[in-house]
Amino acid sequence: NAGVTQTPKFQVLKTGQSMTLQCAQDMNHEYMSWYRQDPGMGLRLIHYSVGAGITDQGEVPNGYNVSRSTTEDFPLRLLSAAPSQTSVYFCASSSQGWQPQHFGDGTRLSIL
Amino acid sequence: AQKVTQAQTEISVVEKEDVTLDCVYETRDTTYYLFWYKQPPSGELVFLIRRNSFDEQNEISGRYSWNFQKSTSSFNFTITASQVVDSAVYFCALSGRSYKYIFGTGTRLKVLA
Repeated sequence: NAGVTQTPKFQVLKTGQSMTLQCAQDMNHEYMSWYRQDPGMGLRLIHYSVGAGITDQGEVPNGYNVSRSTTEDFPLRLLSAAPSQTSVYFCASSSQGWQPQHFGDGTRLSIL
Repeated sequence: AQKVTQAQTEISVVEKEDVTLDCVYETRDTTYYLFWYKQPPSGELVFLIRRNSFDEQNEISGRYSWNFQKSTSSFNFTITASQVVDSAVYFCALSGRSYKYIFGTGTRLKVLA
């Protein structure tokens, strides 16, 4: 019973590098989302998806891209990492957008 | 625009005290959903409760209770007889018509033995 799986758990990047944070869920959930958590800022929505092929921007989308080609996967791409993107990233899913979300364990990302 | 305000950044109580965590929200949607999540020191996020905008009944679950008041746009969370295991960061969240989840900045609760 995996739930929401995020990989990697930790990553260190250099400024300007690109990478993809992976998120997969095995609950056949339609709604998936990405958040970043910074001290004193709570969780801020980056991008979300209400189903395969549909994505939309959240509060802080700049510098991040997403796609949703399957129901199960919702990768988050950093095209050119910046130190301001140092954060803990959480992926979440729910059956619908008004349902409680199931969160992954998070990815701690440091950009030097 | 939607907004969730948790004005209490950190609260410290002694074990067995009651404590209330405040949540005030703003939305223009008539249908919306409110949530509370808990983040213990281990870091995972745990769902506690959901309320929809048409259900103002208060909820009690063991030592936890929630008071939803549309008139004041508040959805407050009370822990009765707090325990050390309640120490965590608690987040209030709002999901409206667009299903954009908006979280508050969280309240860190420290329960001292």
